[in-house]
Amino acid sequence: SQTIHQWPATLVQPVGSPLSLECTVEGTSNPNLYWYRQAAGRGLQLLFYSVGIGQISSEVPQNLSASRPQDRQFILSSKKLLLSDSGFYLCASTDRRRDGYTFGSGTRLTVV
Amino acid sequence: AQRVTQPEKLLSVFKGAPVELKCNYSYSGSPELFWYVQYSRQRLQLLLRHISRESIKGFTADLNKGETSFHLKKPFAQEEDSAMYYCALTRTSGSRLTFGEGTQLTVNP
Repeated sequence: SQTIHQWPATLVQPVGSPLSLECTVEGTSNPNLYWYRQAAGRGLQLLFYSVGIGQISSEVPQNLSASRPQDRQFILSSKKLLLSDSGFYLCASTDRRRDGYTFGSGTRLTVV
Repeated sequence: AQRVTQPEKLLSVFKGAPVELKCNYSYSGSPELFWYVQYSRQRLQLLLRHISRESIKGFTADLNKGETSFHLKKPFAQEEDSAMYYCALTRTSGSRLTFGEGTQLTVNP
């Protein structure tokens, strides 16, 4: 079965600082990978998804970017954080059988 | 566009009482519907999916295409059911999920 490692668990960053959140997947190959965000009082919003190395699709225009340098590695980045980037970020994957999602433990980002 | 709506952000019931978490969706095709649950300090995990037609932890959900709903029900709530519940929709198995806003369920003793 799949396991997702996501870090850090919590992060406090000043406005204007860069961001890098990493997600790695074990137990599968060629997964679809996703970054979701939950802002305060809102549901889980899909930010990016990737069907393969170097293939990134963005769902919403924003201050963030994503990269997939390796098959089982998915990175969420920002050059300059905004206050509105605060939220709970979740990495998720679906395996080759595309049979259900596995989620990471999430990162709580607070931009101050 | 696909959309999932959970009208209740917070829901509080007493132990042993019936509970229903509402979910409505909009999608022009035939979607797959799911309920995900996140217990305190745990990861988001799948609770049930409509194509399985199974009962998990006493919960059931019936897809009503006429009303475009997928409400989650349990006849007798337990304290350990307290968690955040998300309804979600996807076009095909493994494609991206669209989540509702979530409902925080609290079951009081």
